[in-house]
Amino acid sequence: DIQMTQSPSSLSASLGDRVTITCRASQSVSSALNWYQQKPGKAPNVLIYAASTLQSGVPSRFSGTGSGTDFTLTIDSLQPEDFATYYCQQAYRSPLTFGGGTRVEF
Amino acid sequence: QVQLQESGPALVKPSGTLSLTCAVSGASISTNNWWNWVRQTPGKGLEWIGEIFHGGNTNYNPSLKSRVTMSVDKSMNQFSLELTSVTAADTAVYFCARGGRGLDYWGQGILVTVSS
Repeated sequence: DIQMTQSPSSLSASLGDRVTITCRASQSVSSALNWYQQKPGKAPNVLIYAASTLQSGVPSRFSGTGSGTDFTLTIDSLQPEDFATYYCQQAYRSPLTFGGGTRVEF
Repeated sequence: QVQLQESGPALVKPSGTLSLTCAVSGASISTNNWWNWVRQTPGKGLEWIGEIFHGGNTNYNPSLKSRVTMSVDKSMNQFSLELTSVTAADTAVYFCARGGRGLDYWGQGILVTVSS
């Protein structure tokens, strides 16, 4: 299985901050990397697919970069609704695997 | 608007079979999408269980493959999951999700507890 490692596991931030979350794959996943946001008691919601493509309806303050093994999710100007947990997920090879999550806290 | 809704027993006895159904509305299950099951536990995070195509082709997580069966009912526009020989380690929130641009539509999730 391809292991996905996210860092940090949690971070504290303030409104308006720029936040960067990293995800590393144990082997190349090309650009087959998706990012999700999850709020307590809710299902994950896809923010970015194929490493850098913004899902329809997702605010442009979210962006994704990377290919191969190293990826980043950036949130520009953190908003109140962005306090949540973020997951990366590789879609390159079965079984699909997720990172352990990054909790963004106030 | 595509919507998915999980249903099934919230409590399953150890060594029993967990059976869940995901009803799809707003889209045909016979589109060019894979239909997935994912579960979430505090300890193991998000774990992909497997996926099924409307023609019946499946891909399962090797860690669960010996215990998992997925099926599709095109007439009801739904798909199902069976997990046999369950233990307390199978206690989780189970989600169904559509494979598109990422896993782009999810059900709300159903908590299934394995306990006697």
